Amino acid sequence: DTGVSQDPRHKITKRGQNVTFRCDPISEHNRLYWYRQTLGQGPEFLTYFQNEAQLEKSRLLSDRFSAERPKGSFSTLEIQRTEQGDSAMYLCASSLASSGTGVTQYFGPGTRLLVL
Amino acid sequence: GDSVTQMEGPVTLSEEAFLTINCTYTATGYPSLFWYVQYPGEGLQLLLKATKADDKGSNKGFEATYRKETTSFHLEKGSVQVSDSAVYFCALSVYGGATNKLIFGTGTLLAVQP
Repeated sequence: DTGVSQDPRHKITKRGQNVTFRCDPISEHNRLYWYRQTLGQGPEFLTYFQNEAQLEKSRLLSDRFSAERPKGSFSTLEIQRTEQGDSAMYLCASSLASSGTGVTQYFGPGTRLLVL
Repeated sequence: GDSVTQMEGPVTLSEEAFLTINCTYTATGYPSLFWYVQYPGEGLQLLLKATKADDKGSNKGFEATYRKETTSFHLEKGSVQVSDSAVYFCALSVYGGATNKLIFGTGTLLAVQP
């Protein structure tokens, strides 16, 4: 059973550079989420895909951030013109589609970004 | 807005001690409640969940009961082990916008000493 995978696990970049992260969800899951976690805080929702459609974006997701999920499989999160405030752990999660609020989201190990 | 408040850590206990980590929530509608755990160097894992009032979630000796009257979902374990050392996150899920996003508390670090 392969869980959610993310690549890379760590990324160090200089301010102003662009970075891209990849998430591979559990294969039968059609819902995919991105969260951001800063030190000492819980994860915060960024965006959500159902299949290939991006259906919701948080106000945290500035116009420097873009996410895609071509063909409803893997997803990428790109940050353009990185700023030091973007330093965080970026988490991907996936789940099955289900009515109600009790569906479990399965998380990947995260990509830790450090912007110098 | 919807939110989760959990007790600040770190919580330091000796092995076999009783554990309680408090969690209260504010939500419109009828949320589901979750406890996730993050072991050192690993990703978030679901520990247990409850989807309606008075439900009890349990796993690996941990329990939490969904108390609507006190808007609480406190995590308990009767006898902790060193291997339980981790960060514990309380979270709720509400349907808003297009999906059931999770709203997390700030996490509680548990350190169990032998």
